[in-house]
Amino acid sequence: GAVVSQHPSWVICKSGTSVKIECRSLDFQATTMFWYRQFPKQSLMLMATSNEGSKATYEQGVEKDKFLINHASLTLSTLTVTSAHPEDSSFYICSAPGQVYNEQFFGPGTRLTVL
Amino acid sequence: GESVGLHLPTLSVQEGDNSIINCAYSNSASDYFIWYKQESGKGPQFIIDIRSNMDKRQGQRVTVLLNKTVKHLSLQIAATQPGDSAVYFCAENRGGSYIPTFGRGTSLIVHP
Repeated sequence: GAVVSQHPSWVICKSGTSVKIECRSLDFQATTMFWYRQFPKQSLMLMATSNEGSKATYEQGVEKDKFLINHASLTLSTLTVTSAHPEDSSFYICSAPGQVYNEQFFGPGTRLTVL
Repeated sequence: GESVGLHLPTLSVQEGDNSIINCAYSNSASDYFIWYKQESGKGPQFIIDIRSNMDKRQGQRVTVLLNKTVKHLSLQIAATQPGDSAVYFCAENRGGSYIPTFGRGTSLIVHP
């Protein structure tokens, strides 16, 4: 199947700094990608839909000014957590749809720890 | 046996036993369901899917059952192995959407 990668796999930062997480589709193009957040022992919650060449669509309750999404090319979406705080510490996962309807490929996730 | 922890239900089984993981979904308009396996520190991995016009689908060692009347989904794993230990999530695509909405998840622990 298709491969989605994320970078970095983990990051530790100080409170108040910004962190950028990359999501890449390695062998296919993705005009749409999705960003999820997962707290320990909880399920994946959809944060936003990243659209190539246009603005991202955010789920209710997700601050668009805090979680900046850029989908500058057909293989790359980035999520920037601005002015990160300890409560933003979480596992961030991206996914991209495949060619077959309903098919989703998930990245390996990025563990963010804010001190 | 099965127990409910603070956030994540846990199912403990012995190696070689069959495992059954259950999931209740909420939206009667959902037309596609998926089971994912998530190992610690990794992203979800597709296991098996089923469309709403089916009530059973089998894969290699896994079977998914769908009961639309009571909005219930189950994943059966035959001859469970230690490598099956992970968190299992059911997900549903709500009518017309191709974005999966994830359920609560169940932690499966397989004892050798």
